[in-house]
Amino acid sequence: DAGVIQSPRHEVTEMGQEVTLRCKPISGHDYLFWYRQTMMRGLELLIYFNNNVPIDDSGMPEDRFSAKMPNASFSTLKIQPSEPRDSAVYFCASCQPGQGVCYGYTFGSGTRLTVV
Amino acid sequence: AQKITQTQPGMFVQEKEAVTLDCTYDTSDPSYGLFWYKQPSSGEMIFLIYQGSYDQQNATEGRYSLNFQKARKSANLVISASQLGDSAMYFCAMRGTSTGNQFYFGTGTSLTVIP
Repeated sequence: DAGVIQSPRHEVTEMGQEVTLRCKPISGHDYLFWYRQTMMRGLELLIYFNNNVPIDDSGMPEDRFSAKMPNASFSTLKIQPSEPRDSAVYFCASCQPGQGVCYGYTFGSGTRLTVV
Repeated sequence: AQKITQTQPGMFVQEKEAVTLDCTYDTSDPSYGLFWYKQPSSGEMIFLIYQGSYDQQNATEGRYSLNFQKARKSANLVISASQLGDSAMYFCAMRGTSTGNQFYFGTGTSLTVIP
């Protein structure tokens, strides 16, 4: 298995531009999570999906952020318009629960976003 | 609400020695899971070990063991025989039954192994 695949690995964009981050979870994993990591706030959950359905998006910082999961093998996190304070590492993670419980996430390599 | 606390921002250990990284948690859930992840300088998050709240024995995975003290709400990670490659950030995390499969992470501890 190739693991959780995120693209791009690095993204540098100008303030005001739209940014789209992509994630391919491990095949068969029912849950997909988007996390943001910064020095100031650590690892924050932005949103997660179960069977392609968004379950909790309360961590999405504001309306500029949106996430979709059109099918079981693909998810996107979009920021429009981007701002310098969005600069962070964005992780995607997936898990396959046993009896409804996840015993560990598998993380992607992350996307390092820099907004200038 | 779930809360994870890691009070050691940085730790140093001599190569081949054992080290304990502290983690305390707070939850009102009767059933929960505790996890440790390693993040080396390359940035990826690597799953190390899992402990269920009803597990009778402390979890072990190779050189990693989790010292689970339920009454004290602590889940410390013990790394035996430290290696240079153990230098990394270490995150404690928790999943509670009331929050589905959402994990809550601590702020991390930076471990440096000294040759």
